[in-house]
Amino acid sequence: DAGITQSPRYKITETGRQVTLMCHQTWSHSYMFWYRQDLGHGLRLIYYSAAADITDKGEVPDGYVVSRSKTENFPLTLESATRSQTSVYFCASSEGDTPSAFTDTQYFGPGTRLTVL
Amino acid sequence: KNEVEQSPQNLTAQEGEFITINCSYSVGISALHWLQQHPGGGIVSLFMLSSGKKKHGRLIATINIQEKHSSLHITASHPRDSAVYICAVRSRATSGSRLTFGEGTQLTVNP
Repeated sequence: DAGITQSPRYKITETGRQVTLMCHQTWSHSYMFWYRQDLGHGLRLIYYSAAADITDKGEVPDGYVVSRSKTENFPLTLESATRSQTSVYFCASSEGDTPSAFTDTQYFGPGTRLTVL
Repeated sequence: KNEVEQSPQNLTAQEGEFITINCSYSVGISALHWLQQHPGGGIVSLFMLSSGKKKHGRLIATINIQEKHSSLHITASHPRDSAVYICAVRSRATSGSRLTFGEGTQLTVNP
């Protein structure tokens, strides 16, 4: 199906474990983004990618790693999960191919609810 | 103080009422977005504004760049409009770009 998907939708893990959240989009959008959403903070940008093999830090990148070997996939890895990383994670994509990408409409995935025990 | 402030935080209305949600920001911006987050968690972009006014169906978004303020209006509200409405801005000062989000306004429309 066309669109942007995330997997898993729900994940429970333990402190110290490595976790990878997957994001896949079928539009061939250049830009992809990872956000986390927490009560009292709204959505905050973790990492974003302008194209395959090009990634950059957002507002809260510590403890996260991203890669983008293919345009359609943008996985987010928590190398050693901590309780503070319990959150809802949203992936998004945007068509733009220049700094105007952040003025273009962003299309959001359904979210992954991650709990770190 | 957050760069993006929304008011009210929570809003309850009766079906048919005219609704206004406000967004104020403290930085120079190149664009402002309004997003809707459904009760199930999904997020949908409603509008992107850099000036003036946009209308889509019963939704109207306005922005006043000089006053650093935007409003989202819903006419003839309906229970299906119940959602969290989020304002986000792209700051001109931020290189590489990021969107800064407000905390959202929880709207409940009762039948």
